Amino acid sequence: GESVGLHLPTLSVQEGDNSIINCAYSNSASDYFIWYKQESGKGPQFIIDIRSNMDKRQGQRVTVLLNKTVKHLSLQIAATQPGDSAVYFCAVLSPFGNEKLTFGTGTRLTIIP
Amino acid sequence: DVKVTQSSRYLVKRTGEKVFLECVQDMDHENMFWYRQDPGLGLRLIYFSYDVKMKEKGDIPEGYSVSREKKERFSLILESASTNQTSMYLCASGAGGAFNEQFFGPGTRLTVL
Repeated sequence: GESVGLHLPTLSVQEGDNSIINCAYSNSASDYFIWYKQESGKGPQFIIDIRSNMDKRQGQRVTVLLNKTVKHLSLQIAATQPGDSAVYFCAVLSPFGNEKLTFGTGTRLTIIP
Repeated sequence: DVKVTQSSRYLVKRTGEKVFLECVQDMDHENMFWYRQDPGLGLRLIYFSYDVKMKEKGDIPEGYSVSREKKERFSLILESASTNQTSMYLCASGAGGAFNEQFFGPGTRLTVL
């Protein structure tokens, strides 16, 4: 199977600074990864994804880095804003072709004004 | 935009009651999923469905069943609710194939007394 772990359950960052949220996965055959953002009282919202044929992918103020050698991915948020305060999850697609995602337990990011 | 809706945001039931949680998506997605979310445990997959009338057990199916009579609707059923089923329930849908991201509804917070 697959297990997914996040390195820190909570993270506090000053507004305007950059933040990095980390995630580790167990199955080296995994080839698709997603980051979700979950605000209080809402369902998870897709932020960015990456496939294993890439090391880096950028979106608006967000970058996902994938290190397949150590089975680690990270989400970088640039110039954090108060609206970035949320719980962030990584999810890893099962390599067995059954469309299943395995989720990490989440990192709660708090932006300090 | 994909829209996934869930029938209730908050639900309070008594032990032994039969509970129906409804989920509807409007993007003609093949795949639909039911998760529960608990503090410290992240999202855990209960059941999923690839197509109408098809269902697959997820990681924690015990005490639950599902129904998918129409493509857009996926129901989660608690035959006899128990207090350990108090949780946040999240429905998701996805196109599948090359498009692996899942889109989530707002969640139903179920309390079983």
